[in-house]
Amino acid sequence: DIQMTQSPSSLSASVGDRVTITCRASQGISSYLAWYQQKPGKVPKLLIYDASILQSGVPPRFSGSGSGTDFTLTINSLQPEDVATYYCQKYNSALSLTFGGGTKVEIK
Amino acid sequence: QVQLVESGGGLVKPGGSLRLSCAAAGFTFRDYYMGWIRQAPGKGLEWIAHIGNGGSHINYADSVKGRFIISRDNAQKSMSLQMNSLSADDTAVYYCARVGAGYLTYYFDSWGQGAPVTVSS
Repeated sequence: DIQMTQSPSSLSASVGDRVTITCRASQGISSYLAWYQQKPGKVPKLLIYDASILQSGVPPRFSGSGSGTDFTLTINSLQPEDVATYYCQKYNSALSLTFGGGTKVEIK
Repeated sequence: QVQLVESGGGLVKPGGSLRLSCAAAGFTFRDYYMGWIRQAPGKGLEWIAHIGNGGSHINYADSVKGRFIISRDNAQKSMSLQMNSLSADDTAVYYCARVGAGYLTYYFDSWGQGAPVTVSS
């Protein structure tokens, strides 16, 4: 089974900072990767799919990149409303749709 | 807009059963795969099952295989999750979610508010 490892598990950054979250697959998954945002006490929300395509309505300060085994989610100019836990999810196979462990983003 | 509303959550004893339902509105339900994802208290997201738009093409996570059964009724625009042989490890919020349209698009583009399930004696 392919494992998804996110790093860091948590981070603290200042408003306006550029934030990068990494997701690594234990085997290649092409570009079959999605990113989700879950604000405290809220429902997860799809941010990015196919590794780099922004879901409709998501602010352009969010971007995704990568393919194969290494992926990144970047938040350009972190905003207070971006405080959340971010998850990656692989979907290269319908047999197993694994999520990463999550990265908690806080404001310094 | 897309609406997904879960129901049926609650408290159940270890070894017991529970059935969750998800009512869909705002989109052509029969055209989409659907899935269930759960989140244990203070933990991350765990995909547990999804079902094809016609009711076939079903897949389960190993953690629930043989105990949970996913089904759907396109006429009623609803999906269900029958959960059997429950243990404390199944305690979680269970989310109903829509799978993205298209080929090999097994990400979840819309989520319900979640149904809490607590397994405790």
